[in-house]
Amino acid sequence: DTGVSQDPRHKITKRGQNVTFRCDPISEHNRLYWYRQTLGQGPEFLTYFQNEAQLEKSRLLSDRFSAERPKGSFSTLEIQRTEQGDSAMYLCASRRGVGNEKLFFGSGTQLSVL
Amino acid sequence: QKEVEQNSGPLSVPEGAIASLNCTYSDRGSQSFFWYRQYSGKSPELIMSIYSNGDKEDGRFTAQLNKASQYVSLLIRDSQPSDSATYLCAVASNYQLIWGAGTKLIIKP
Repeated sequence: DTGVSQDPRHKITKRGQNVTFRCDPISEHNRLYWYRQTLGQGPEFLTYFQNEAQLEKSRLLSDRFSAERPKGSFSTLEIQRTEQGDSAMYLCASRRGVGNEKLFFGSGTQLSVL
Repeated sequence: QKEVEQNSGPLSVPEGAIASLNCTYSDRGSQSFFWYRQYSGKSPELIMSIYSNGDKEDGRFTAQLNKASQYVSLLIRDSQPSDSATYLCAVASNYQLIWGAGTKLIIKP
């Protein structure tokens, strides 16, 4: 399977706990994006990597959110001290470099903070 | 603030008819435009991309782009119940995609 893979598919946690999500992009894609999506809204940009470099982080993202892509392959998104407002679908997407902007999404991780 | 606007719907269309979905955008410099389909609880799936003014056809789908009017549309011919979903318009701006909130389409048998 050469699609974008995300793990876990669902995560239920208590407020205040830390959670970490993983994304494995399509192997030849050097650009990786994290989005958050709530019901009735389009995907909201969180952060973006080109290879291992994190090139941009949304100003809307609090310091409780951090992402890494240590070897330019898989990426992790960590949320510390989760709040109920963090409940959302977290989407990872990848694409090739400049010249082909088609973005391919993983299945997402649905986070519920109780 | 770069924006992409879509009518949230729901847009209800009889089975077999043409569904027409519309999107406007604010960034005049945008060169790439995409339509994604999203079923409830699932992630967005790319169905069409368009880069030049005019029409682009792929099966039952036709994307239309008018850069002068900053307008992009998606037509779905011979609509099927399986086309019922939310359709997201995305516009490339620099290295990012700017997303609309989506139009919910309901195809009635």
